[in-house]
Formats: sequence, structure tokens, C-alpha cells
Amino acid sequence: QVQLVQSGAELKKPGASVKVSCKASSYPFSTSRITWVRQAPGQGLEWMGWITAYNGDTSYAQNFQGRVTMTTDTSTNTAYMELRRLTSDDTAVYYCARVVSESYTWFDPWGQGTLVTVSS
Amino acid sequence: DIQMTQSPSSLSASIGDRVTITCRASQTISSYLNWYQHKAGQAPKLLIYAASNLQSGVPSRFRGSGSGADFTLTISSLQPEDFATYYCQQSYSGPYTFGQGTKLEIK
Repeated sequence: QVQLVQSGAELKKPGASVKVSCKASSYPFSTSRITWVRQAPGQGLEWMGWITAYNGDTSYAQNFQGRVTMTTDTSTNTAYMELRRLTSDDTAVYYCARVVSESYTWFDPWGQGTLVTVSS
Repeated sequence: DIQMTQSPSSLSASIGDRVTITCRASQTISSYLNWYQHKAGQAPKLLIYAASNLQSGVPSRFRGSGSGADFTLTISSLQPEDFATYYCQQSYSGPYTFGQGTKLEIK
């Protein structure tokens, strides 16, 4: 079945960068779009942006413009999300998900999540 | 940005109860509305897409309805595995915002 497997937990210092990976399997990754969503402790879900795998086109939420870069490697069916200039407010679980776009758009399935902790 | 407002924020219910969660968009979004179930420590799970379409494998006790700006998720007879947090999400236009969540707890 379609599956997204993310990289493991990260501990970063303020000001550093983090790069989270998301490896897809069992579907044609190169024709798809991958989105990233995060959940800070005690908070709801926040959409960060998405990337179209075959051409690298991206759309980022305004909140993350200039600080996030999403990329893909179609040779390994892997998507990446790099977030720079981390602060404690970036402590969150980061999820990737496949974007399904037919007449409407939804996210399914989701990766298992990657906990990023920002602390000095 | 389109704001999504869910109510209630939390809800206590018993096994077998019928439960309704509402979601209101700050502007009309046609049927560009999805519902997700999220349990602690797990990946969010798609329940309903395009307002009323049940995702494959999701039990038929889950039902989505609505269009325009007002939507509902109904669980017809709560089961133990349904206790979780539920989120609506609009996919009408970016940023693809979520509601704040409704935490469903056992009474």
C-alpha cells in the first residue's frame, strides 16, 4: 500500500537548520505532490507548503516563506523539508503527506511524523 | 487566508452516542472540505474528502455533509477507537488551513 516513511527525531539548537526526509513507496512518486504539515505541542495542524515532485514547483505558506525549502529526489522517491533559523517556536512534529488532486484536493496518506526539538 | 472554525473544541461522549462536529469557513469554499482523525503519536488519517465522500476503508458510521461555508462531521454510533481529535481542512485555496481541532473524549 502507499506509504510514507519519515526520518527520525532531531534535536537542534536555536539558529540551526533541520532537514527532514520522507520516503515514498508503492505509487508513482514522480507524478505526485508532497505536502508538509506541522503540529506544535498542544496546538493544531499548520500547513507549511507543498512541492510537485516531477518539476520541483513549490508553494509555501506565507509564515514560512524565506525560511523553508522543499525538495525531492525522484531517483530515491524521497521528499525533503529544510527549515532554517530555528527557534523554540519551531519545536513540533513535522508530517509529510501525499497530495491527491482530482476534482478536489486532499492529503492521504501521511507519514508517521518527525519530532524536531529546538533547545539550547 | 481562509479561516476554519470548528465547534465544539472538545466533546465528551459515551460509546454508542451520536456525535456531530461542525466546521465553518470564513468564506464560501464549495465542497473543498476534508476531515481528518488524529490520535496522539500517530499520523493523521483522512476520513472524508470533498465534504461528503468517505475515504476507502473508513467505517460507514462516519458521515460528512455541507457545502458553501458550513460543514458537519457526524459519527452515528461512537466506538472506542473513535476517541481522537478531529480536524477539518479547506482545500479551496492556499494556505490550506485547518480548523483548530475537536477533541473527542470518553464520558
